[in-house]
Amino acid sequence: DTEVTQTPKHLVMGMTNKKSLKCEQHMGHRAMYWYKQKAKKPPELMFVYSYEKLSINESVPSRFSPECPNSSLLNLHLHALQPEDSALYLCASSQDLTQPNSPLHFGNGTRLTVT
Amino acid sequence: AQKITQTQPGMFVQEKEAVTLDCTYDTSDPSYGLFWYKQPSSGEMIFLIYQGSYDQQNATEGRYSLNFQKARKSANLVISASQLGDSAMYFCAMRERTGGSYIPTFGRGTSLIVHP
Repeated sequence: DTEVTQTPKHLVMGMTNKKSLKCEQHMGHRAMYWYKQKAKKPPELMFVYSYEKLSINESVPSRFSPECPNSSLLNLHLHALQPEDSALYLCASSQDLTQPNSPLHFGNGTRLTVT
Repeated sequence: AQKITQTQPGMFVQEKEAVTLDCTYDTSDPSYGLFWYKQPSSGEMIFLIYQGSYDQQNATEGRYSLNFQKARKSANLVISASQLGDSAMYFCAMRERTGGSYIPTFGRGTSLIVHP
């Protein structure tokens, strides 16, 4: 059982839709991440939250909008996406960003298809 | 420049044999962490093993061990007694300090197939 829960598992959306991806962790972690992953490629970092504040935005297009309502929850709001945004979206958490020894704990991901 | 290099796009191994997956890294920071993750075809990313830059001993976790050669900047994963369930993508990752925070960087991955 994963300790990081992502919903939904699969999402199909049109280019004019608005949808949200949700992520929840109850490990007391203070850093949370969104990654985008294409098939057979490594995960690409999109956003990092540290203590509920946006710490890193890797020049992600504004059609992706992250939100961290509290220390356990992380959302990714999607609007006006393009077909090339179809990918596996992974949420992860770690203890914090202050130590090099903190592994990432990943959710099972959301497989997004944009039609 | 690549921070993490995995030179083997694909590897094949016979069941019950050992296999080594290569990883080299590049950093000038004396304090860093090295990680290996497994990603089966179902998509979840599973943390396997960690090695700290100051650790004197190689890390081991069950059938996984990390061959850490600091001077060569390599952190190879050794899987002993391979099982069919080990077939997956394997990613090497490093946490180094970037602007005051330790941010993970991933290699391109190695696809491992275990034959019966």
